[in-house]
Amino acid sequence: ILNVEQSPQSLHVQEGDSTNFTCSFPSSNFYALHWYRWETAKSPEALFVMTLNGDEKKKGRISATLNTKEGYSYLYIKGSQPEDSATYLCASNSGGYQKVTFGTGTKLQVIP
Amino acid sequence: DSGVTQTPKHLITATGQRVTLRCSPRSGDLSVYWYQQSLDQGLQFLIQYYNGEERAKGNILERFSAQQFPDLHSELNLSSLELGDSALYFCASSAAGVENSPLHFGNGTRLTVT
Repeated sequence: ILNVEQSPQSLHVQEGDSTNFTCSFPSSNFYALHWYRWETAKSPEALFVMTLNGDEKKKGRISATLNTKEGYSYLYIKGSQPEDSATYLCASNSGGYQKVTFGTGTKLQVIP
Repeated sequence: DSGVTQTPKHLITATGQRVTLRCSPRSGDLSVYWYQQSLDQGLQFLIQYYNGEERAKGNILERFSAQQFPDLHSELNLSSLELGDSALYFCASSAAGVENSPLHFGNGTRLTVT
């Protein structure tokens, strides 16, 4: 992996369903992995910053895990709500300590 | 409100012109990042400053330059503008190293080159 990659590109789920997305990043020279939520017509807002292999973070119904050895992170949303509809971005600075590189995001739409 | 202020919100200019985008970071944040989001593209890293010094550079064109001033505000200068420079330009700031601090984004400056 040379770049930060996210999958799927987009996702439609029913209200109440749980879902998850994947972020893959270069595992060499790893310092941190960030997750952001980006709502339409707004700017990205930070969800989590993770640094250690095996890290797990949780905020309400949203949680994330980190595997630095294989270079991936998962974001989970439990019981999706319409207000969870947004683009979820991950970012890593594997390309350089201060070079925070973003993936293209996973666009989630939660259908009421 | 993230505390990061970007001005102007919108900018319309002609090809060949030069513009300056301004960013004031959150109070206390020493790092400033600039990103470009073109149509249907993700956030492309341009450049990062820490306490007045350039620390990291992305795929920033030679026609673009930036600086961070002693009061920590930053400016991104775009010259000899081309149609393809039309994009949303975001500034973000962080308090410390990326392993400790998330980025806080401004609302962006939308540049339209005609």
